[in-house]
Amino acid sequence: DAGITQSPRHKVTETGTPVTLRCHQTENHRYMYWYRQDPGHGLRLIHYSYGVKDTDKGEVSDGYSVSRSKTEDFLLTLESATSSQTSVYFCAISEPPNPMPQHFGDGTRLSIL
Amino acid sequence: QKEVEQNSGPLSVPEGAIASLNCTYSDRGSQSFFWYRQYSGKSPELIMFIYSNGDKEDGRFTAQLNKASQYVSLLIRDSQPSDSATYLCAVTPGGGGGNKLTFGTGTQLKVEL
Repeated sequence: DAGITQSPRHKVTETGTPVTLRCHQTENHRYMYWYRQDPGHGLRLIHYSYGVKDTDKGEVSDGYSVSRSKTEDFLLTLESATSSQTSVYFCAISEPPNPMPQHFGDGTRLSIL
Repeated sequence: QKEVEQNSGPLSVPEGAIASLNCTYSDRGSQSFFWYRQYSGKSPELIMFIYSNGDKEDGRFTAQLNKASQYVSLLIRDSQPSDSATYLCAVTPGGGGGNKLTFGTGTQLKVEL
């Protein structure tokens, strides 16, 4: 299994609070990704990183920010959580060259009440 | 129109039969195609990828790609109850961006005793 650790694994919080999810990898992969998975929508890309301090938006980036200060860590922050952000969040990593299959962490189940 | 389409299922097959899972995509420039398996409550797990027209075999799994018709399929031979899961198809966009994947919503497979 790819060395990817997501924390926390479960979190319940209230609307309006800030939330930070962490993804830690031991594979030294260049690319890191954050997805959310919701029934009927499948996996949707939130943000991704292609190197330290290099990030870009995905399909559903509104309300989310990310940071990558070290190769091994990729943080996802919900500045002011809303109920619509209740979801399962997955981190993934990949490494060139193409086709660069992505490998996923175990996920974080986030509930916003 | 969804970019990657899969029949949500459930697809039910008897143990020992061949399961055939299909995926169509809209971006004619897509280069690489991936199949993931996801057990309920777990993270997606890479089964295999394909990027050339034709068949690619890996154990009991065969991926088939037809770029002209814009579909990719996954065959599972000698299906086992442990194959019961949701199967996700993912494709890379055309025009570069090979690091990003667009996922279908998945097909649920049930292998019955």
